[in-house]
Amino acid sequence: GAVVSQHPSRVICKSGTSVKIECRSLDFQATTMFWYRQFPKKSLMLMATSNEGSKATYEQGVEKDKFLINHASLTLSTLTVTSAHPEDSSFYICSARTDPLGETQYFGPGTRLLVL
Amino acid sequence: GNSVTQMEGPVTLSEEAFLTINCTYTATGYPSLFWYVQYPGEGLQLLLKATKADDKGSNKGFEATYRKETTSFHLEKGSVQVSDSAVYFCALSSRGSGTYKYIFGTGTRLKVLA
Repeated sequence: GAVVSQHPSRVICKSGTSVKIECRSLDFQATTMFWYRQFPKKSLMLMATSNEGSKATYEQGVEKDKFLINHASLTLSTLTVTSAHPEDSSFYICSARTDPLGETQYFGPGTRLLVL
Repeated sequence: GNSVTQMEGPVTLSEEAFLTINCTYTATGYPSLFWYVQYPGEGLQLLLKATKADDKGSNKGFEATYRKETTSFHLEKGSVQVSDSAVYFCALSSRGSGTYKYIFGTGTRLKVLA
């Protein structure tokens, strides 16, 4: 149980285009999902907390208009990188909680984005 | 602010060797502590956790004890296997802005040689 999937696993795009990454909870409903960014040999940095049916809460320093998050259902959250540039190239990872009041997060396999 | 510090890797061990990966934290209050493992090409998997001081989390032969006095949560395994080769992340969970959030360490890569 508690399986989280991400799609796509890898994406290459041209500078200036937008890319959408999906995060799905496969066997549970997740009112809260999280989006992280991981730089090479660095820790995971929380970008935003995605809440079903409401606006995402972004961490300090994360551009809301650059990284659009939509949590339209209890099993799906999407991250759209708008007008992507090479510096947006990174590994993006989502997670979800099975218990809305709990602490434990279950992670997706990640999406590697390369912007040319 | 809250933070997690892990030992620098990579750590290279022979099979059946003893493993210790150090993790210390800085936090206000009493956070829960976690170890996650990331195998090549896969997502992060919860390995073990501890929610209060002196708790010991254990799973698959790995153990870690929540030490409040030293603010540590070191990961140990008595005899590693080649299949344990992965990246290990220490994390703390603290409540902020109405929800629990994780803060991760940088990760420690473990390579076990046959």
